[in-house]
Amino acid sequence: AQSVTQPDIHITVSEGASLELRCNYSYGATPYLFWYVQSPGQGLQLLLKYFSGDTLVQGIKGFEAEFKRSQSSFNLRKPSVHWSDAAEYFCAVSYAGNNRKLIWGLGTSLAVNP
Amino acid sequence: DTEVTQTPKHLVMGMTNKKSLKCEQHMGHRAMYWYKQKAKKPPELMFVYSYEKLSINESVPSRFSPECPNSSLLNLHLHALQPEDSALYLCASSLVGTGLSGNTIYFGEGSWLTVV
Repeated sequence: AQSVTQPDIHITVSEGASLELRCNYSYGATPYLFWYVQSPGQGLQLLLKYFSGDTLVQGIKGFEAEFKRSQSSFNLRKPSVHWSDAAEYFCAVSYAGNNRKLIWGLGTSLAVNP
Repeated sequence: DTEVTQTPKHLVMGMTNKKSLKCEQHMGHRAMYWYKQKAKKPPELMFVYSYEKLSINESVPSRFSPECPNSSLLNLHLHALQPEDSALYLCASSLVGTGLSGNTIYFGEGSWLTVV
């Protein structure tokens, strides 16, 4: 079965430090890749997405992600974390021909130390 | 503008009550979704409507009844719920299509449901 793995359940970083959140998906042709963020008590906000083309994609709030097909990965990065970035981050994937269903990772909870 | 609006934000209901959750979008999206999310878990797909017709039902119990009155509105009717149904209910929408444009799903802020 197709799956998404976020290896880190919880990450703590200091404010101003760089951040990388990992995401791996099971092999499949033409994945559509997404990162969503969920602040406490809020809904899900789309950070960025990758469909095709340039493998480095820019998103909102200063986030970027790089698609590496050879590693089946779509890692999320931010060069300098702000306290307001503390949230739950979900990686998700869908596939051509079944794009109504997102396959979700279990999420990574990010805490930011002042 | 990528906005999906959900009401109410919070709902407390007894196990014998009937209530409804409402969702609205004005992005011209013709696919609309209901998800259920428990704390610290990813969302679980419940229903998908495409062009106002139910296209996916993920074996959801009949005490949850979706309705799509028109292309902008989506309702979730609730009846005889159990305490374990307490969760965040998220509405979402997207374009319909097999091409790239049909793939991005936008979420609302959710409705927090507590069943007592």
